This record gives sequence, C-alpha cells and structure tokens, in this order.
Amino acid sequence: AQSVAQPEDQVNVAEGNPLTVKCTYSVSGNPYLFWYVQYPNRGLQFLLKYITGDNLVKGSYGFEAEFNKSQTSFHLKKPSALVSDSALYFCAVRGVTGGGNKLTFGTGTQLKVEL
Amino acid sequence: GAGVSQSPSNKVTEKGKDVELRCDPISGHTALYWYRQSLGQGLEFLIYFQGNSAPDKSGLPSDRFSAERTGGSVSTLTIQRTQQEDSAVYLCASSSLQGDKLFFGSGTQLSVL
Repeated sequence: AQSVAQPEDQVNVAEGNPLTVKCTYSVSGNPYLFWYVQYPNRGLQFLLKYITGDNLVKGSYGFEAEFNKSQTSFHLKKPSALVSDSALYFCAVRGVTGGGNKLTFGTGTQLKVEL
Repeated sequence: GAGVSQSPSNKVTEKGKDVELRCDPISGHTALYWYRQSLGQGLEFLIYFQGNSAPDKSGLPSDRFSAERTGGSVSTLTIQRTQQEDSAVYLCASSSLQGDKLFFGSGTQLSVL
C-alpha cells in the first residue's frame, strides 16, 4: 500500500528566510509525487509534480521540490518565504505501476510565515 | 464549466438521515475522485472513477457510502443513515486522461447533528 508522511504539523518561518516542508513516501516501484496547497477558505491547488527526469522540480509561486529516491523524500522548498505563502500544504504520491490511479495524500503541514 | 463545481457548499443534517452530495467535473475530464477532509486527518481517499472502467471503491469507509457517475460526467456521493463521525468536508476532483494534475472543487461541508 502506498503512503505519505508529513512529519511536521506546523512549520514557522520568518519572511525572507528559506523554507522547507518535509515529505517522505512509500510506494511500490517508481512514484509520481505532487504538492498541493490549500489557502484559507479556498480549494486545493496544484503546486508541482515529479514524474521523471531532473530530481529538482520547479513549480508555481517560486516553490520547488527535490526528489530523493534513496531517502524516499520529496521535500518542498522556497528560497525566500512570503507572508502570503502561509497556507496548508499537502504532499501526495501515486505509484507508476500498481495502486491504480489513486492519489494518496499526507496529513498536511500548516506553514506560517511571519514578518 | 470553468472548474469543478460541488453542491451544496454546506449541508447540515440530523443523525440517521440520508444525504446526497453532487460533483460536476471539468468538461472532458475522464477521471473523477472523491476525498474526505477531516480536521487533522488530511485527505482521505473515498472513490475513483475513470472513464467506463469499474470504479475503485477501496476507500469507502462503510456500506452506508456509495457513489455513482452518470454519463461519464456528474457524480453523486450518497451517505445513508448519517452518523456524527461523517461530519467533514467532502472534496471532489477531476483530471484529464493524460494529465496527472487534479483540479479540486471547493467542497461540501457536511455537519451531522
């Protein structure tokens, strides 16, 4: 069975500082990996995905994520955080083979960026 | 439509009543998902439809939950004999056949009193 772990319920960072939101996964075979963001009172939005190729994936709003196969991780990063980045972030995984097209999400990490 | 539409946006019901939640996916999207979001629980997969294939119902928590998708478009999630633990936000998402990105609706907030 595929699964995703987001070990931090909340991450606090000062505006202008780099941020990292952690994600590890478990899946049979190669993974498709995703990050989604949920702003207050708004629906979930796609941020970025890793399918194959370059381990560093760039997405919306200046976010990027690094796929690390040996550590089964897909941490979300941004070089300089903004207050407007404060939101709930979800990591998700789907197996390339097996598991059908079911996308399994983590429990989410609340990011709080303060002035 | 321009996005995934869900109705109602809010539903308050009494324990034991049946409820129906509707999802209208993006036109042309063949894949449709239902998820449940509870506080502190993340997104719980419920059911997945892909074209004319048999749906993946592996996430439905009990036989009180069912879903159908008519004509490959609109989907209805039905919860029979609702319980207080069914209270959550029910999210629908759709994606195109070739794409992996999911487009989510705004959800239905279900409150069972």
